[in-house]
Amino acid sequence: EPEVTQTPSHQVTQMGQEVILRCVPISNHLYFYWYRQILGQKVEFLVSFYNNEISEKSEIFDDQFSVERPDGSNFTLKIRSTKLEDSAMYFCASSETGFETQYFGPGTRLLVL
Amino acid sequence: GESVGLHLPTLSVQEGDNSIINCAYSNSASDYFIWYKQESGKGPQFIIDIRSNMDKRQGQRVTVLLNKTVKHLSLQIAATQPGDSAVYFCAEGGATNKLIFGTGTLLAVQP
Repeated sequence: EPEVTQTPSHQVTQMGQEVILRCVPISNHLYFYWYRQILGQKVEFLVSFYNNEISEKSEIFDDQFSVERPDGSNFTLKIRSTKLEDSAMYFCASSETGFETQYFGPGTRLLVL
Repeated sequence: GESVGLHLPTLSVQEGDNSIINCAYSNSASDYFIWYKQESGKGPQFIIDIRSNMDKRQGQRVTVLLNKTVKHLSLQIAATQPGDSAVYFCAEGGATNKLIFGTGTLLAVQP
């Protein structure tokens, strides 16, 4: 069964450093998403992406965040200058259309020291 | 504003019993609802969904009920098994394709 994959599974970085989280969505899906989950809290929407552009973003997704689909398979989330409060689990998701089920990857646990 | 909340943060059931997990939502414009299961250290796993033009939908051992009058969503798990132990989230979608998640309910299945 096709699934969303994410790398790395864990990332430790120093405050102020740039990190890139990678995702490979399900191959025939057209909509891509990033969510995050701070430890013990609920999953929060960050950004949605369709047709090579952002379709919606939350207030969390400020200028320090960016997304890119550099090729036909990868979808990346970049945090330019990480802060302590960026420590969280980051989930990538994809859906075939914009209003169908979103399938989530296993997540990348980001720890900012 | 938009919000999705869960009534019970923890639910403990005996193996073989039926489980009912509840969720309240406040955005009447939401028209798509999903239940996800999240095991420790893993991503949310799709269980079942329902659209606002339906009141009930059944899957394998799971049933989702939607009451739009009181903005309430529930997930029923029949014959709960130890492998069902996880955190269950409801999520809602509406005019945009982002999902708004609830706070989660921990289901603990006692053998």
